[in-house]
Amino acid sequence: DSGVTQTPKHLITATGQRVTLRCSPRSGDLSVYWYQQSLDQGLQFLIQYYNGEERAKGNILERFSAQQFPDLHSELNLSSLELGDSALYFCASSREVNTGELFFGEGSRLTVL
Amino acid sequence: GIQVEQSPPDLILQEGANSTLRCNFSDSVNNLQWFHQNPWGQLINLFYIPSGTKQNGRLSATTVATERYSLLYISSSQTTDSGVYFCAVPKTYGQNFVFGPGTRLSVLP
Repeated sequence: DSGVTQTPKHLITATGQRVTLRCSPRSGDLSVYWYQQSLDQGLQFLIQYYNGEERAKGNILERFSAQQFPDLHSELNLSSLELGDSALYFCASSREVNTGELFFGEGSRLTVL
Repeated sequence: GIQVEQSPPDLILQEGANSTLRCNFSDSVNNLQWFHQNPWGQLINLFYIPSGTKQNGRLSATTVATERYSLLYISSSQTTDSGVYFCAVPKTYGQNFVFGPGTRLSVLP
């Protein structure tokens, strides 16, 4: 158990819908990262937060947004879903910004039908 | 920005064999991690190894930071070692980690 909690583990929805993925980082970790992994692909960085503030943005679509709350949990919102958004979405956390060890949650598997 | 390469891209082994996976990076780094993604998709931390050598059971890792590479050794491989192995380093300018493309390992019984 990495200590990073993601919910839901599985999600099936239809095109055009909106979903929210939730992540609770490890106790004491201030930095949260979101990654997308499509089938048999590598990890694509989406966005990073540190202590409530956005720190870095990757190839995140405009239909996607995220935030980190004062209690440090984070949510990734995916809207106007398309078939191509089907993927594993991982949350990771680390103690500091880009140093120290990175720990991943178990991922949220999104299927868009 | 920093580039990360991994080799080989694919590896098929018979159970009991040994293997070495390599991660090359294009710039100096202050940390490096190895992860194993199992067939169920879970990403498991193997080593946090900015430099030197670490061992954990049948697995060991060595990072030579001055020469910009890291090696992951798997001895007496088991079918449960199958999956994809990723290395990751911090981005040179920026706030996130860069992952290599991975090595897909299949261990046959």
